[in-house]
Amino acid sequence: EAQVTQNPRYLITVTGKKLTVTCSQNMNHEYMSWYRQDPGLGLRQIYYSMNVEVTDKGDVPEGYKVSRKEKRNFPLILESPSPNQTSLYFCASSRGGSGNTIYFGEGSWLTVV
Amino acid sequence: RKEVEQDPGPFNVPEGATVAFNCTYSNSASQSFFWYRQDCRKEPKLLMSVYSSGNEDGRFTAQLNRASQYISLLIRDSKLSDSATYLCVVTLGTYKYIFGTGTRLKVLA
Repeated sequence: EAQVTQNPRYLITVTGKKLTVTCSQNMNHEYMSWYRQDPGLGLRQIYYSMNVEVTDKGDVPEGYKVSRKEKRNFPLILESPSPNQTSLYFCASSRGGSGNTIYFGEGSWLTVV
Repeated sequence: RKEVEQDPGPFNVPEGATVAFNCTYSNSASQSFFWYRQDCRKEPKLLMSVYSSGNEDGRFTAQLNRASQYISLLIRDSKLSDSATYLCVVTLGTYKYIFGTGTRLKVLA
């Protein structure tokens, strides 16, 4: 089954404690991306990757890091989380190129206290 | 001005009604257009792509007006299960997907 899998799905953490949200896709997609969704602001892109070892900033990259060492994985790293990073996070992938469907993971609810 | 704008709603309609949403985009260079559906606290899922000639999928019809820079979604014979938030998505360049904030639909029994 075609899937984008992200973990953890739910996390409460404390300010400053580094965390990683993993994302994996089994569709051999070149393009992967991270979004955060906040009330009234919609989905905002954090980082995206066009292929292995190729990443670029989205609209709200501050406070986040990513890496793309393998095609299937695209982890999101919060080196020093702050309360304003409390949000719903989605990982997504697509075949690449703007005409292609994006497939989303189920989302990760992150609370930073 | 936002790159993609949608009326947030909610649109409250009775079962069986026809309802239409519009979405406007600001960049005339936008290339591809989609409607996604998002249920509460779930991930967005593709509802349909939007083509220049307009396209239909069952009760759903999508239209694109490049001259006026908007896309529309028409839902006929609304079902309770259509209750969701509908996201307009526009692409710019090869890798930039821009999402609207969504229009919330509630279909009432």
